[in-house]
Amino acid sequence: EIVMTQSPATLSVSPGERATLSCRASQSVSSNLAWYQQKPGQAPRLLIYDASTRATGIPARFSGSGSGTEFTLIISSLQSEDFAVYYCQQYNTWPPYTFGQGTKLEIK
Amino acid sequence: QVQLQESGPGLVKPSETLSLTCAVSGYSISSGYYWGWLRQPPGKGLEWIGNIYHSGSTYYNPSLESRVTISVDTSKNQLSLKLSSVTAADTAVYYCVRGGGSTGWFDPWGQGTLVTVSS
Repeated sequence: EIVMTQSPATLSVSPGERATLSCRASQSVSSNLAWYQQKPGQAPRLLIYDASTRATGIPARFSGSGSGTEFTLIISSLQSEDFAVYYCQQYNTWPPYTFGQGTKLEIK
Repeated sequence: QVQLQESGPGLVKPSETLSLTCAVSGYSISSGYYWGWLRQPPGKGLEWIGNIYHSGSTYYNPSLESRVTISVDTSKNQLSLKLSSVTAADTAVYYCVRGGGSTGWFDPWGQGTLVTVSS
């Protein structure tokens, strides 16, 4: 099973600033990585797939990069609605699909 | 627009079987894609339970495989989850999703339904 590790666990950033979230895989997942956003009381929402492709309707301020074992989600110019928990997920080697433990993005 | 709606009992007794249904609208399950279930214990992260293709091919999380059954009813355009011999550790919000299989990612998600295992 591939273990996904996200860092930091909590990230405090001011509105308008840039946030950088990291995700590391225990072995290569190529570019088979997705990012999700989850707000309190809501289901996760797909942001990015194939490491860098934005899902339908996702604003351009969200960007993903990386391949192999190291991945990054960047949110440029944070908006109030962006404060949430973010999860990465690998789908290179399954079953099982595995998720990181999440990064909570909070207002500084 | 594809929409998924989970339904089922919110409370299940230990050792019994958890049963949930997911109604799919806006897309015919028999047209393709994988469909499946994930769960999230309160305050914790996401766990993939399993996936099914419209043909009936299934893939399960090895950690749950002995207790899980996922099925589809194409005539009703819905999928179902059964998890047997539940314990308190199975208390979670259960989500129905489209995706997995050759697609890999999950989109969209149902709103989720909380199932509590307690006597």
